[in-house]
Amino acid sequence: AQKVTQAQTEISVVEKEDVTLDCVYETRDTTYYLFWYKQPPSGELVFLIRRNSFDEQNEISGRYSWNFQKSTSSFNFTITASQVVDSAVYFCALSEAYNYGQNFVFGPGTRLSVLP
Amino acid sequence: GAGVSQTPSNKVTEKGKYVELRCDPISGHTALYWYRQSLGQGPEFLIYFQGTGAADDSGLPNDRFFAVRPEGSVSTLKIQRTERGDSAVYLCASSLSTLAGIPGEQFFGPGTRLTVL
Repeated sequence: AQKVTQAQTEISVVEKEDVTLDCVYETRDTTYYLFWYKQPPSGELVFLIRRNSFDEQNEISGRYSWNFQKSTSSFNFTITASQVVDSAVYFCALSEAYNYGQNFVFGPGTRLSVLP
Repeated sequence: GAGVSQTPSNKVTEKGKYVELRCDPISGHTALYWYRQSLGQGPEFLIYFQGTGAADDSGLPNDRFFAVRPEGSVSTLKIQRTERGDSAVYLCASSLSTLAGIPGEQFFGPGTRLTVL
């Protein structure tokens, strides 16, 4: 069965600090997809990234970067030089390809508070 | 263009009543998902539609829950004989069709907050 663990329930940082949000997943499938979503106080989830299991290259998008390591089943998310607007709940999610991407499993989320 | 919309934004009902929650996906999105999110938790998958058919309803908790998408666009989640444990935010998401098993980016609606008294 697929499972996503986000061990950090809440994190508080001061603006401009770097912060890493951890995500560990479990799957028996060899082909799967990993996602990160942001849920700001307004409530709507916003897609950040999708990564397939065959692409282990790290990705950088502005202040955001993602480190995918199959050896440790982790897909961690780092925000560099955090800003107050980064305050939100961040969810990691997994979708197994055998199910044709139909069933997404989300982690419990990490609440990030960036203090001015 | 318009995003995913959900109505009502809030619904308060009494235990045992029937409720319908509506989702209007982004035009052209053939894939539609329903999730349930309880306080402090991540979204929990309920059902997935590809077009008009429910391709995966394995997440529906029991037979009190049912969803339809008769014309492949708007979807309605129906809950019969509501219980207090059904209280949660119900989220709808849509995406372009999944090709060759590659899940598309999901666009989420603002959710319907259901409170069962």
